[in-house]
Amino acid sequence: DGGITQSPKYLFRKEGQNVTLSCEQNLNHDAMYWYRQDPGQGLRLIYYSQIVNDFQKGDIAEGYSVSREKKESFPLTVTSAQKNPTAFYLCASRSGARDTQYFGPGTRLTVL
Amino acid sequence: AQSVTQLDSHVSVSEGTPVLLRCNYSSSYSPSLFWYVQHPNKGLQLLLKYTSAATLVKGINGFEAEFKKSETSFHLTKPSAHMSDAAEYFCVVSEKNTGTASKLTFGTGTRLQVTL
Repeated sequence: DGGITQSPKYLFRKEGQNVTLSCEQNLNHDAMYWYRQDPGQGLRLIYYSQIVNDFQKGDIAEGYSVSREKKESFPLTVTSAQKNPTAFYLCASRSGARDTQYFGPGTRLTVL
Repeated sequence: AQSVTQLDSHVSVSEGTPVLLRCNYSSSYSPSLFWYVQHPNKGLQLLLKYTSAATLVKGINGFEAEFKKSETSFHLTKPSAHMSDAAEYFCVVSEKNTGTASKLTFGTGTRLQVTL
């Protein structure tokens, strides 16, 4: 069954701790994306990657880091430098020249 | 630069009545336009997409949208609302000529409420 998986669904973190959110896709898509969603706002782009071992900052990259060691995986680390990390995080992927992005189910991160 | 404005943050309709969710966009190039739906605590699901073919685009679950270049609009409609349509809807624009990996710009969303 093809798709995008994100884990965990809910995540709690203490202030000052780094935490890593998982995103895996078996769609054979080249490009992958991380977005942040806050109440009453649209999605904002954190990082994206067009190919393995390459990634670019989006609009709100400060306090976040990513890696793209495998085509299927694009983990996001929320560092202690992110001042307001509580949000809903969505991963997406896109195939080649097409511009349609497909989304995972999301991870809700809460900082205690 | 591209931008999207969803004209209503909240829309309430009765079950069985028509749905209209309004979206205006701004784009320097020939845009692709999308509507996505999000149910609570879920990811986004693609409803439909416009890519410069037919201006009236049919999507899933009976939704459709009409691209009007002169009005820079891409409103989403459905003839008859169902309770299961209650969700958040996002209008999205993608510029084809940005040189980047298909960067999307999202509207702030319209919450659709469906009442009995």
